Amino acid sequence: AQTVTQSQPEMSVQEAETVTLSCTYDTSESDYYLFWYKQPPSRQMILVIRQEAYKQQNATENRFSVNFQKAAKSFSLKISDSQLGDAAMYFCAYRIIQGAQKLVFGQGTRLTINP
Amino acid sequence: GAGVSQSPSNKVTEKGKDVELRCDPISGHTALYWYRQRLGQGLEFLIYFQGNSAPDKSGLPSDRFSAERTGESVSTLTIQRTQQEDSAVYLCASSLPPDGYTFGSGTRLTVV
Repeated sequence: AQTVTQSQPEMSVQEAETVTLSCTYDTSESDYYLFWYKQPPSRQMILVIRQEAYKQQNATENRFSVNFQKAAKSFSLKISDSQLGDAAMYFCAYRIIQGAQKLVFGQGTRLTINP
Repeated sequence: GAGVSQSPSNKVTEKGKDVELRCDPISGHTALYWYRQRLGQGLEFLIYFQGNSAPDKSGLPSDRFSAERTGESVSTLTIQRTQQEDSAVYLCASSLPPDGYTFGSGTRLTVV
């Protein structure tokens, strides 16, 4: 069974600084997707970034980038120039490419931005 | 619609009562998913509908939980004889595979 582990229940960072959120996963599949979602107090899950496992290049979306280490099954999220609006719960998630498209989520990391 | 709509936003019910939660997906999205999020936890998969295929019910925690979807439209998640451990946020998402999900804002269910 696939599992996703986020070992940092809480993280904090000063505004404008850089923070890295950790995620590891376990799977026997070779093709899959990895995601980071943001969940603000509004509860709606917002896609931050997506990585296809067959791509060696790390995905980047503006201030958000990932460090994808396939052999180590590690998928960390780096947020540069942190802003107050980045404060939220962040969830790492995995799904296989073929078949059922259900997502498997980690337990989440609460990110606090200090002004 | 422009997004995934869920109703009600909040629901308080007495233990033992039945509840129905509604999800209105984005028009044209063939796939619809229900997840449960307990306080301070990640999302747990409940059920997945894809077009006219048989739903994947592998995540439903007990036979008190059921869900229906008519075609590619609205879905309802029903919890019978609610228990306190059913208290959670129930999130719905829809997608047009292979594109990603769009989530709704969820229904917060409190069983007292």
